[in-house]
Amino acid sequence: EAGVAQSPRYKIIEKRQSVAFWCNPISGHATLYWYQQILGQGPKLLIQFQNNGVVDDSQLPKDRFSAERLKGVDSTLKIQPAKLEDSAVYLCASSLWTSGANVLTFGAGSRLTVL
Amino acid sequence: AQTVTQSQPEMSVQEAETVTLSCTYDTSESDYYLFWYKQPPSRQMILVIRQEAYKQQNATENRFSVNFQKAAKSFSLKISDSQLGDAAMYFCAYRSAPGTYKYIFGTGTRLKVLA
Repeated sequence: EAGVAQSPRYKIIEKRQSVAFWCNPISGHATLYWYQQILGQGPKLLIQFQNNGVVDDSQLPKDRFSAERLKGVDSTLKIQPAKLEDSAVYLCASSLWTSGANVLTFGAGSRLTVL
Repeated sequence: AQTVTQSQPEMSVQEAETVTLSCTYDTSESDYYLFWYKQPPSRQMILVIRQEAYKQQNATENRFSVNFQKAAKSFSLKISDSQLGDAAMYFCAYRSAPGTYKYIFGTGTRLKVLA
């Protein structure tokens, strides 16, 4: 089966600019996650979707970050305006459903550098 | 709130030797899952092994095994017969019980395999 697709792989922007990342999960996976991974740290959950509804966005900086998952399939994460501290790898992951021991399948990530 | 702690930022092992990576967690829940994920350099994160908290038997996947001590809230990963391809960041992860299904990751341990 095809894996979790993410684009772009790399993005360099200046502070105060905007950027968008796209994720296409594995077909049939109802749950989609966006994580932020700052260099030297573990992934931090930004937002979790179940189909096209939001399950958890408690750690999403809503003044600058937004995410949507239209039609319960692919998802877009946007940052506007970007700050220097947003430099990180943005990981998208999906799972079949949330119950049981369903594991996360990760994409390759989108590396953002804010200058 | 649940926390995951990996106290070893970096570990080294000789090829063909055995290494153990440590992980401790804190939770008040009785039903949860624990995972070890591997993130090779510039490659996507993949699942190594998982453990259901209600199972007393330690999980094993080929050369990878865990030592799950529920009372001590400890979940270590043992890699036997280490190979050069095992070099990566290893993340311990906790997944909450039904209701939230939130994943929490540790800060990671970088494993170097010496030829």
